[in-house]
Amino acid sequence: KAGVTQTPRYLIKTRGQQVTLSCSPISGHRSVSWYQQTPGQGLQFLFEYFSETQRNKGNFPGRFSGRQFSNSRSEMNVSTLELGDSALYLCASSPPGQPYEQYFGPGTRLTVT
Amino acid sequence: AQSVTQLGSHVSVSEGALVLLRCNYSSSVPPYLFWYVQYPNQGLQLLLKYTSAATLVKGINGFEAEFKKSETSFHLTKPSAHMSDAAEYFCAVTPGGGGFKTIFGAGTRLFVKA
Repeated sequence: KAGVTQTPRYLIKTRGQQVTLSCSPISGHRSVSWYQQTPGQGLQFLFEYFSETQRNKGNFPGRFSGRQFSNSRSEMNVSTLELGDSALYLCASSPPGQPYEQYFGPGTRLTVT
Repeated sequence: AQSVTQLGSHVSVSEGALVLLRCNYSSSVPPYLFWYVQYPNQGLQLLLKYTSAATLVKGINGFEAEFKKSETSFHLTKPSAHMSDAAEYFCAVTPGGGGFKTIFGAGTRLFVKA
C-alpha cells in the first residue's frame, strides 16, 4: 500500500498570505490528523477529521482550518500567515477501528518570510 | 490531563551498546502509549505501541518497550545500537476511552558513536 502523501513538500510564503496544504491518507484510512512541528513547541495537535467531520481540535487560532473530502483526502489552510507559522506540518492517517494508531506522511515544510 | 515527559533531549551511545530512552506519562484514564522515530526531513514512523495487552511490547528494528503502571513509565530499549538508529525518538500518549488527542513528548535525539 502507498503511504500517506503530502503536497507540496516545501513552500515559501510571505507574511499575510494564505496557504493550503494537502494530505492523501493510506487507502482505506478514514481518519486524518494534522500536526505542527517546530523546534520550540515540538509536535502540537491541530485537528482530526473522520468521514468529512472535524472530530477533535487542538488549541490553535481560527486562522488554522481544515477539511476532509469524501475520498478521505484532507486539506489544511492557514490564513494571514505569520512568521511563527513557519514549521513542518505533518499529516497522519489511522486505520479503521484503530484511531490511536497513526501513520505519518513526510510533511510539508512551510517557511514564512 | 495527559502529559508526556522524555528524560534527556540528547542521548549518546556507542555502536553495539544498550539504548535506553526514557518516557514517563500521566493520564487520568488507562492510556495507549506509542514510540515513534523521525529521521531528518521525514515524517514520524511508528516503532511500537501499547494498547493494554502485553506489558512488554516488541517493535520494529529490534526495539522494545515495557509498560510499568506503578512507575507510569514506558521506556524504550534496544540491546545493541546500530549507526542507523541515530534519529529523534518521540514518546506519545493517547487517553483511552475515546476523546482522541495524542500528546507527544519533546523528543530525544539519539546519537550513535562508531
